[in-house]
Amino acid sequence: EDQVTQSPEALRLQEGESSSLNCSYTVSGLRGLFWYRQDPGKGPEFLFTLYSAGEEKEKERLKATLTKKESFLHITAPKPEDSATYLCAVRDDYNQGGKLIFGQGTELSVKP
Amino acid sequence: ETGVTQTPRHLVMGMTNKKSLKCEQHLGHNAMYWYKQSAKKPLELMFVYNFKEQTENNSVPSRFSPECPNSSHLFLHLHTLQPEDSALYLCASSQGGQGSEAFFGQGTRLTVV
Repeated sequence: EDQVTQSPEALRLQEGESSSLNCSYTVSGLRGLFWYRQDPGKGPEFLFTLYSAGEEKEKERLKATLTKKESFLHITAPKPEDSATYLCAVRDDYNQGGKLIFGQGTELSVKP
Repeated sequence: ETGVTQTPRHLVMGMTNKKSLKCEQHLGHNAMYWYKQSAKKPLELMFVYNFKEQTENNSVPSRFSPECPNSSHLFLHLHTLQPEDSALYLCASSQGGQGSEAFFGQGTRLTVV
């Protein structure tokens, strides 16, 4: 059975304190790993797609990397506006419709 | 208007009421999804539609009834819900399989009283 596990569940950082979020996955045939940001009471906002081990994507202070078993979301010198829940999901297209399977998320809080 | 739009944003309903959630996507995608998000739980897939055809029903109780009249619109009809059905209901769309990302609406916050 496909599984996605994110750690830590919650992370508190000081402004400027860099760190990483982890997403471990077990899937029969990976067709994409996706990172989303979700603010309270809103829908998830798409950030990155990674398809193969060794791939990296960057956007402002965020950098996503992928290995055969996990992905990391690195946050460099975070700001308070980076506070949100970060969700990881995988797509396995051996299932009809290519559904996304989500982890439980990491709630990030960045204090000034 | 662009993206994925959901209405209403908030809904309070009694257990004997019947209501509907609406989702519209302006991205030209051919797959649409309903997800349920409860506090401290992962997003839970409910239904998947590809080219208007339902391709997945994730063991959802029959008090939730989806409808997809075309590739741009998706509805979730609700009747005789339970308080534990209170959650954020999210609609998403994608270009289908082959690794394409899904884009989400802002969700409908549903409270069943």
